Amino acid sequence: GAGVSQSPRYKVAKRGQDVALRCDPISGHVSLFWYQQALGQGPEFLTYFQNEAQLDKSGLPSDRFFAERPEGSVSTLKIQRTQQEDSAVYLCASSLWSIYGGTEAFFGQGTRLTVV
Amino acid sequence: DAKTTQPPSMDCAEGRAANLPCNHSTISGNEYVYWYRQIHSQGPQYIIHGLKNNETNEMASLIITEDRKSSTLILPHATLRDTAVYYCIVRADDNYGQNFVFGPGTRLSVLP
Repeated sequence: GAGVSQSPRYKVAKRGQDVALRCDPISGHVSLFWYQQALGQGPEFLTYFQNEAQLDKSGLPSDRFFAERPEGSVSTLKIQRTQQEDSAVYLCASSLWSIYGGTEAFFGQGTRLTVV
Repeated sequence: DAKTTQPPSMDCAEGRAANLPCNHSTISGNEYVYWYRQIHSQGPQYIIHGLKNNETNEMASLIITEDRKSSTLILPHATLRDTAVYYCIVRADDNYGQNFVFGPGTRLSVLP
């Protein structure tokens, strides 16, 4: 596809369950971002990859959150032992990379996670 | 924290130009100004970005003041489908892998 694809689109998890959210970035995009968006708020940064390297994970809220991008393309965000406060929309974005900067990121539609 | 300040909400009449302001008084020389918008239940959509010069594309125009401390996003002929939350973001170049920091944005309502 032409854009960033995320799956599933919706996920309902029971509290304590582990979940895995998938992101297919635009082909050839070096940079990949994960964001968390609570209802009525702007997106909050979680983590950043440059190819397969996770260069910034400062936004991950706890050690229950783990992200990987083993081959530098598809990425998975995993949340272990989900809790109700994890309920949010999880957004993935990808972009090219330029030494000169100024590259725009393109976002997927997001995965809406509801923990019950 | 976001390095930008935007009004929380604005209204615009359909067919008129929508002018959305953004203050970024602490912007650094290597930081670009980006605009995104988010329509309900969708991911943020890229609109436009610039460094120093004014920019125009098929969606909008971006006017950056000479001192770069503020900018204005212009939607020349607003339609009902432009109703969304608009985010102004400043971000340095990719060498630092800096993420896009979203503030609360401006909720634009286009009225019929």
